Formats: sequence, structure tokens, C-alpha cells
Amino acid sequence: DAKTTQPPSMDCAEGRAANLPCNHSTISGNEYVYWYRQIHSQGPQYIIHGLKNNETNEMASLIITEDRKSSTLILPHATLRDTAVYYCIVRLGGIQGAQKLVFGQGTRLTINP
Amino acid sequence: EAQVTQNPRYLITVTGKKLTVTCSQNMNHEYMSWYRQDPGLGLRQIYYSMNVEVTDKGDVPEGYKVSRKEKRNFPLILESPSPNQTSLYFCASTQEGFNEQFFGPGTRLTVL
Repeated sequence: DAKTTQPPSMDCAEGRAANLPCNHSTISGNEYVYWYRQIHSQGPQYIIHGLKNNETNEMASLIITEDRKSSTLILPHATLRDTAVYYCIVRLGGIQGAQKLVFGQGTRLTINP
Repeated sequence: EAQVTQNPRYLITVTGKKLTVTCSQNMNHEYMSWYRQDPGLGLRQIYYSMNVEVTDKGDVPEGYKVSRKEKRNFPLILESPSPNQTSLYFCASTQEGFNEQFFGPGTRLTVL
């Protein structure tokens, strides 16, 4: 799986958009970008994933650059409950990628009132 | 409610005393896995199972055993726990398509 690089920490004001960057310059053509988050010591929670097109769901938007070497997770209106560690993970999709989900150190996002 | 459950949630034990951490999911998922989380090391996969009776090692399998006799259950067995297995453990499952993994609430294990 390709390695990812994320800033260790970020702050964002409540109500503003939180933009979390992730670099994955060695990503291969058939690898997906996944985002999970972990609140305190709870189990990680899936947020979103994508291959090359931008994706949006009820939680967030994922913007992947055209060369796919980086991506940005956007929480459009951050709330205090969005304070968590956010993990960007690159891996193969489907059954081939199911064998391993490698979590790095992630970005600790703090939403300030 | 669709969920992954783990028991116990907290456990303090002593070196060498065999223990089992149970994991159960009610979503009929084929794939299940176990992770441990340690400060500064992130989550590391211990074992995974693609289906009943099909298991394989992850990144850090030493000192652990698993079994998958039923689709819904995937227990983690520590035959002879040691202090370096003190950690926060998570079980996860996913359905065919293998995109979103559902994680359990975690088991905090302390081995004295």
C-alpha cells in the first residue's frame, strides 16, 4: 500500500469548513483513498473513499487532485463533535485491499468554539 | 442495530493466564479482523479472516491466535499473555465489496 503523509495536528473554528490534506505521491492507478476518523479511543469510523473523482456524502467531501498524488477531506461545517484523529489511507479496493488496512499517525483535528 | 460488539471492554490480567476476547457482528459480513493500537504506532493488524475457517496473519500476529468457526464470531485468543500485549484492541468487519470497515468499541487490555 502507498504511504501517506498528513500533518500531525490542525485547528478549526466551529462552523467553519475543516480542510484536511493528505499526500500520497506513490499511489498506484488502482489504489483508492480512504478516510477514517477516531474519536477519543473509540473504534475508527469510516468517512469516505474515492479513486479519482471527487466524492461527497452526508459526512464529508473528498477532493482528489488530477494526478492523484494528494487529496483533501472537507468537513463543510465543523462542529465540536468532529474533534478527532483523522486517518488517510491508500489501498487497493475490493477483496485485494481487504487483507490489510494500514493506519498511520493521522491528523489530530481540534474544533474550537 | 448493525454493530460489532467486543467483550470484555476492559480487562486486567496477569502474565501467562490465558484469555479470550470475543468479537461478534450482526451484519452477516464475510471479512473480520483484529487490530491493536499503541501510542505512537497507530493501528496494526493482528489477524484477519476472509470467511468461515479462513484466517491469515496480519502485521503483528505473534502471541495471538484466532478462530472463525461461525460467520458472526471472531475471537482473539492470547494463550500466554505478556506485558507487551498491553494495548487497546479493536475488532472490525466488512461486507462483500470490502470498502467500509465497521469497528467495535475496543477492548482495553492490561497484562501485569
